[in-house]
Amino acid sequence: DTEVTQTPKHLVMGMTNKKSLKCEQHMGHRAMYWYKQKAKKPPELMFVYSYEKLSINESVPSRFSPECPNSSLLNLHLHALQPEDSALYLCASSQETPGYGEIYEQYFGPGTRLTVT
Amino acid sequence: KNEVEQSPQNLTAQEGEFITINCSYSVGISALHWLQQHPGGGIVSLFMLSSGKKKHGRLIATINIQEKHSSLHITASHPRDSAVYICAVLNYGGATNKLIFGTGTLLAVQP
Repeated sequence: DTEVTQTPKHLVMGMTNKKSLKCEQHMGHRAMYWYKQKAKKPPELMFVYSYEKLSINESVPSRFSPECPNSSLLNLHLHALQPEDSALYLCASSQETPGYGEIYEQYFGPGTRLTVT
Repeated sequence: KNEVEQSPQNLTAQEGEFITINCSYSVGISALHWLQQHPGGGIVSLFMLSSGKKKHGRLIATINIQEKHSSLHITASHPRDSAVYICAVLNYGGATNKLIFGTGTLLAVQP
């Protein structure tokens, strides 16, 4: 099983709502990632979790709150978002977070299309 | 200047044509990914390579580490190959490697 799943596929939320995105993998990977992708742009890294601990936060606003409750599951909690946060949110996983000279392939999920109204 | 540059940005081909997409990078890397993304869809990893050449079906990827250049070739192209193709390099930055993405090549294969 080389699949990363994400739910929901689509989400529309108001600026005062609280919602969560979910990502799951059963490949035994210990690194999980959140990316944000605006239309016609490449993905931008948001967060990296390694062994269920946050290892990278790319200066993401606090209205995005990641959580890794176990090694298979990654959540992204959303609160008080702005319309400019509308984007495709992609989750990915890899066996480990690669250190110097190490190579681990990232597997991407299908994404959640988020619209903030 | 972007650290990862792709060319062309847009490519239109007729079904059956041989297609080449190029990627040049300016940073030190551990590996390079070629990724495929259909409109509105998620990302599929096609290849990860750190040297030489890999082949999967009609797709071939090559990399020249000395020249910091990679190419993705599609033989006998088909309309279902229409997608954005993204080159991403695994660059060591601090405690861990991170992917640096190119801006993508939008490929349209016409029947």
